[in-house]
Amino acid sequence: EAGVTQFPSHSVIEKGQTVTLRCDPISGHDNLYWYRRVMGKEIKFLLHFVKESKQDESGMPNNRFLAERTGGTYSTLKVQPAELEDSGVYFCASSQVYRGEQYFGPGTRLTVT
Amino acid sequence: AQTVTQSQPEMSVQEAETVTLSCTYDTSESDYYLFWYKQPPSRQMILVIRQEAYKQQNATENRFSVNFQKAAKSFSLKISDSQLGDAAMYFCAYPGAQKLVFGQGTRLTINP
Repeated sequence: EAGVTQFPSHSVIEKGQTVTLRCDPISGHDNLYWYRRVMGKEIKFLLHFVKESKQDESGMPNNRFLAERTGGTYSTLKVQPAELEDSGVYFCASSQVYRGEQYFGPGTRLTVT
Repeated sequence: AQTVTQSQPEMSVQEAETVTLSCTYDTSESDYYLFWYKQPPSRQMILVIRQEAYKQQNATENRFSVNFQKAAKSFSLKISDSQLGDAAMYFCAYPGAQKLVFGQGTRLTINP
């Protein structure tokens, strides 16, 4: 069984540009989560999908961040326009059971210069 | 709201020795899980061990075990016979509504 995959593994963009991160959850996992870890700080929740519906997006920093999950399969997280403080590692996770174990992808390291 | 606290930003241990990483949490719930995740330099977050709050027996996974004190809301991780491959960031996590709540992390260094 394939694990959670994320693309790209690393992205370097300039301030003001747009970046789109992709996450493919484990097949059959209805729950999909995005988290972010800014350098040296704790991992923070961004949002949670159940299938294609956003259940909780209380962690999204601002309206420069847009997440979608088309057809309840893969998800994308777009940052537009990117700011310096958006740099960090963005993790995606999926789970089969609500409040159960979450399986994480390898993360996308975003560097905004 | 649930909170998770790891008070040890960094820990180090000699190879083959035992180390304990601390974690405390706060919740008003009575039935829940607790997790320890490991993030090695490869960046992949890996579940190390989980504890179900209704179970009094401490969870064990090979060299990893926990000391779960429900009344004290404490959930420490013990690594026995430390190996070089155990070097990583370790995160304690509580599965709150809709999301995992993480502690600040503890960076564990293994000295050969």
